[in-house]
Amino acid sequence: GAVVSQHPSWVICKSGTSVKIECRSLDFQATTMFWYRQFPKQSLMLMATSNEGSKATYEQGVEKDKFLINHASLTLSTLTVTSAHPEDSSFYICSVLRDRAINEQFFGPGTRLTVL
Amino acid sequence: AQSVTQPDIHITVSEGASLELRCNYSYGATPYLFWYVQSPGQGLQLLLKYFSGDTLVQGIKGFEAEFKRSQSSFNLRKPSVHWSDAAEYFCAVGRFQGAQKLVFGQGTRLTINP
Repeated sequence: GAVVSQHPSWVICKSGTSVKIECRSLDFQATTMFWYRQFPKQSLMLMATSNEGSKATYEQGVEKDKFLINHASLTLSTLTVTSAHPEDSSFYICSVLRDRAINEQFFGPGTRLTVL
Repeated sequence: AQSVTQPDIHITVSEGASLELRCNYSYGATPYLFWYVQSPGQGLQLLLKYFSGDTLVQGIKGFEAEFKRSQSSFNLRKPSVHWSDAAEYFCAVGRFQGAQKLVFGQGTRLTINP
């Protein structure tokens, strides 16, 4: 399967600051990546679909100006949480679409964001 | 709309016992179905997948799942669990709206008693 990394693995920031999370596909050129959010003891919620070279597609209810996604290359997608607030504290997980025919995704280890 | 239900939030079994985790889905066509496992501090790992053919699929770590269209189910099984199987398990169904998306169930936390 595809190897996916995320950086940083955890981050603590002050309210009002912006935080950038990187998602890298280490062994596969990914035209499509996904960003999920997971609250404690809950399931994954899809935030947006990141397409290389084009604008991301956001799920209903997700603020695109709040969560900026950039997919500038086939191996890197970034999620920037702008003007973060405590309610943005969560576990953010990215995935790589490995097999478009069957919608097979491989996931990164996640990034724990804590906003003070 | 597509949805996935995992009725059991938390299951506890003894080491060496058999395991079955339930998953029910709602989808209008033949679904693409997945089981993932999430261990603390680690990303989701794909256990197995179903998209066509034999309804009994084998996965990694000794897991298997059976697709039953009549029951809209895709239950995960293992004949004998190991302490290392303790983790969170997620069932997911593929959903397509011009791009591939996954819809996840709520997850089942598995605890193993020694």
